[in-house]
Amino acid sequence: GAGVSQSPSNKVTEKGKDVELRCDPISGHTALYWYRQSLGQGLEFLIYFQGNSAPDKSGLPSDRFSAERTGGSVSTLTIQRTQQEDSAVYLCASSPDIGSYEQYFGPGTRLTVT
Amino acid sequence: DQQVKQNSPSLSVQEGRISILNCDYTNSMFDYFLWYKKYPAEGPTFLISISSIKDKNEDGRFTVFLNKSAKHLSLHIVPSQPGDSAVYFCAASDPKGTYKYIFGTGTRLKVLA
Repeated sequence: GAGVSQSPSNKVTEKGKDVELRCDPISGHTALYWYRQSLGQGLEFLIYFQGNSAPDKSGLPSDRFSAERTGGSVSTLTIQRTQQEDSAVYLCASSPDIGSYEQYFGPGTRLTVT
Repeated sequence: DQQVKQNSPSLSVQEGRISILNCDYTNSMFDYFLWYKKYPAEGPTFLISISSIKDKNEDGRFTVFLNKSAKHLSLHIVPSQPGDSAVYFCAASDPKGTYKYIFGTGTRLKVLA
């Protein structure tokens, strides 16, 4: 079956521009997670969704970052006024429900802010 | 602060030998631990996990050991195969019930043929 997909796979943007990253989770998975991996770093938790709600947004680095999920499926991560330190690989994962420890990751979106 | 640490950024092992990847954590309240494997240009894939109430979990060539008193877990791969060459991340489940997962920085394993 189809896994988690993310688009675009690569995004180069100029500093100050807004970007929108998309995640399509595995069909039926109610839990969805966003992470980012900066160069030489581990995966940094950003936000998770249970259904359409995001109970914990504390991992978002700043108020320039926002995320939403509609219809319990697709999620978008938006970064406004991008900065060079936002350059990273943004990974999305889904799991059958919030209590499932195993997460299924997408291939990621590599964001480069010039 | 790094709550989950993988102090070895890389490891090279001969094919057929044992690979041991280590992970240390600081929060004794973590209740579940996972290992993920990541190939270049792909997302991490789940490998094996262990609950804090156990000290060992085995799945084929992969075994995870948990030493709670030392706040240390390790992943053993035996025998190692060239296809095991990847970056391995350990992760811990945040105990506050917020369903966050704290990841280490990863160890790059290279299995030499």
